[in-house]
Formats: sequence, structure tokens, C-alpha cells
Amino acid sequence: GDSVTQMEGPVTLSEEAFLTINCTYTATGYPSLFWYVQYPGEGLQLLLKATKADDKGSNKGFEATYRKETTSFHLEKGSVQVSDSAVYFCALRTPGGSQGNLIFGKGTKLSVKP
Amino acid sequence: DGGITQSPKYLFRKEGQNVTLSCEQNLNHDAMYWYRQDPGQGLRLIYYSQIVNDFQKGDIAEGYSVSREKKESFPLTVTSAQKNPTAFYLCASSLRTDSYNEQFFGPGTRLTVL
Repeated sequence: GDSVTQMEGPVTLSEEAFLTINCTYTATGYPSLFWYVQYPGEGLQLLLKATKADDKGSNKGFEATYRKETTSFHLEKGSVQVSDSAVYFCALRTPGGSQGNLIFGKGTKLSVKP
Repeated sequence: DGGITQSPKYLFRKEGQNVTLSCEQNLNHDAMYWYRQDPGQGLRLIYYSQIVNDFQKGDIAEGYSVSREKKESFPLTVTSAQKNPTAFYLCASSLRTDSYNEQFFGPGTRLTVL
């Protein structure tokens, strides 16, 4: 079945460091890919998305490129801030199915120290 | 403001009791979803609904029930048959179940069984 694999956390970085969170997927067809962020005690917020190969999603300084050849959607940010501390989830949705739900990775907790 | 509301934020239940979690959206979305979040396991789909008066089981529906009598509302009942109900419950909605439609999440309800 379809699945998403994320790098395990927690990830601890100093402010202004470069961030990469790896995400790879297994899916039939051509899924849409998403990154969601969850701040402590809150629901999930969509961070960015890409719906076809080679698309780059970007938001708030975060970027991820849909790489079909490597089935990857790695999240990157050039300079993290303390306020970026949160749990990040990679997710996919496959077209054509009746379910339409998101399939999530297990999440990667990011802590940014001043 | 458009969005998804969930209530209550915290809920405590004694063993053997049924409890109902509320989810309301004013985004005029057709599709609604319930997810369960456990530490280190990402999110798992409990039930989803594509349209009023229709709903389908997700991956972990046992011990749960839902209804969809109104487009705006998708309450989840955690029954006494659910063996391990302590978790964080997230409701989401999307315009439709197409793969490129993003899902919007509510703030969540944390259920604790005493």
C-alpha cells in the first residue's frame, strides 16, 4: 500500500542553521505531496504542497521539490528560527481512489535553539 | 472567519462511557475526516465522509461511530468498545476528496480515559 517515510527526529538545530527533513514515498499512480506543521497543542497547518513531478512548493522560507525519479519530497529551509520549532509531517494523497485521505509519515520534531 | 472548530479541547472519560467529539466547519466543504494521533505514530484515519448522509470507515474505525446529518457537522463518538481511546483527535475537511485538494485541520480534542 501507499506509505510515507520520514527521517526520525528529534532534530535539534541552532538558529540560522540550514534545515533538511527527508521524506520518501511509495505510491501507485501520481500522488499529490504535502508538508504539514504542528505547533505544540495545536492542529495541523498546511505548509506547502506539490501536485505533479518537478513542482516546487514554497512558503515561509520552506521549500520542497517533488522528485518522481527518487520518490522524494524533502523539506528545506536556509535559515531556521526559534519560531520554527514544531513537528513536521510529510503526507500524500493518491488520485482516483474513493477515500481521498492523507497518508502521513510519523512526523519529525524540530527544536531550534537560540 | 472561515475554519474548523472542535470541542471540547480537553475531554476526560471514565472507562465504559461513550463520548462524542464535536467538529464543525463553515468552509462549505463537502468532505470531512477524523484522524487519531498517537505519539510517534503520525495520524491515522478513523472515518471520512464525502457528502451529507454518507460516510466510510477508515483504517482504524473499530470502536468509533460517526454521523453526517448536516454538511457543516461531523461528530465522532468514541464508544466503550474502543480499547485504547486515549489520544489526540483531529478533524479535517476539504472541498472534495480529489487528491490535489488540501485538507484543513481543526485544533484537535485531547481525550483521556481515567
